[in-house]
Amino acid sequence: QQQVKQSPQSLIVQKGGISIINCAYENTAFDYFPWYQQFPGKGPALLIAIRPDVSEKKEGRFTISFNKSAKQFSLHIMDSQPGDSATYFCAASEYSSASKIIFGSGTRLSIRP
Amino acid sequence: DAGVTQSPTHLIKTRGQQVTLRCSPKSGHDTVSWYQQALGQGPQFIFQYYEEEERQRGNFPDRFSGHQFPNYSSELNVNALLLGDSALYLCASSHLWREGRKDTQYFGPGTRLTVL
Repeated sequence: QQQVKQSPQSLIVQKGGISIINCAYENTAFDYFPWYQQFPGKGPALLIAIRPDVSEKKEGRFTISFNKSAKQFSLHIMDSQPGDSATYFCAASEYSSASKIIFGSGTRLSIRP
Repeated sequence: DAGVTQSPTHLIKTRGQQVTLRCSPKSGHDTVSWYQQALGQGPQFIFQYYEEEERQRGNFPDRFSGHQFPNYSSELNVNALLLGDSALYLCASSHLWREGRKDTQYFGPGTRLTVL
C-alpha cells in the first residue's frame, strides 16, 4: 500500500525556472512532512519540512505548500540551478511513532543550463 | 563532528548467504533506523532501535534482524539472501521522539548490497 504518492517521476527544468513536485498522502495520522534531496552515491538529506498547522513554509529558494483538506503538499524550487539536479523524495511521518518515515517514490530533477 | 557512518560501502553475496551491515550514529544520537532502498525507489523502513531494543518494525520478514550496542551503534543482519534483497541499505540516526522536541533523522551514505 503506497501511503505517499509522488509525481512526476522525472522533471526537466531550464536554469532559472521553477521546479514543482507534488505529493499526496492517505493517512490522516501523518503529522510531519519532510522533503529529502538525494545525490548519486549519497544518503537522503533533509531539505525542508512542514507540519499541517501551517499552509506554507519557505527556506531560501525552497517552499513547501500544504493543503490539509486535500491531503496534498508540494515542493517549489525557485530560480532552479544545475546544482539542484538530484532526486527529491517527499515523505510523511506520524510524529508520535518516533520517526518512522514513509517515503514517496522520488522525482529525478534535471536542471538544464 | 562525524555524521552517520556505514560499512562496508559495497558488498557482493550469493543467494542463501547471510550478511551483516554496520552503522555508527551521529554523535549524540541514541536511535537508529534502517531503510532499504531498491533501485529507482524511495527508502522503505525496516526497523528502529532504541536502548538496544527493536521499537518499531516495517513490513519485512524475519530474515531481517538487527542489534543495537551500548554505544548506540547498530547492525543489520539478513539471512538466506534472495536476489530481491539487492538494494542500498540506509542507516539513519536521531534522538528518540519526545513531545515538543525537534526530531530529524540524518542518513548515512548507505551500503550497496548485490545478491548474485
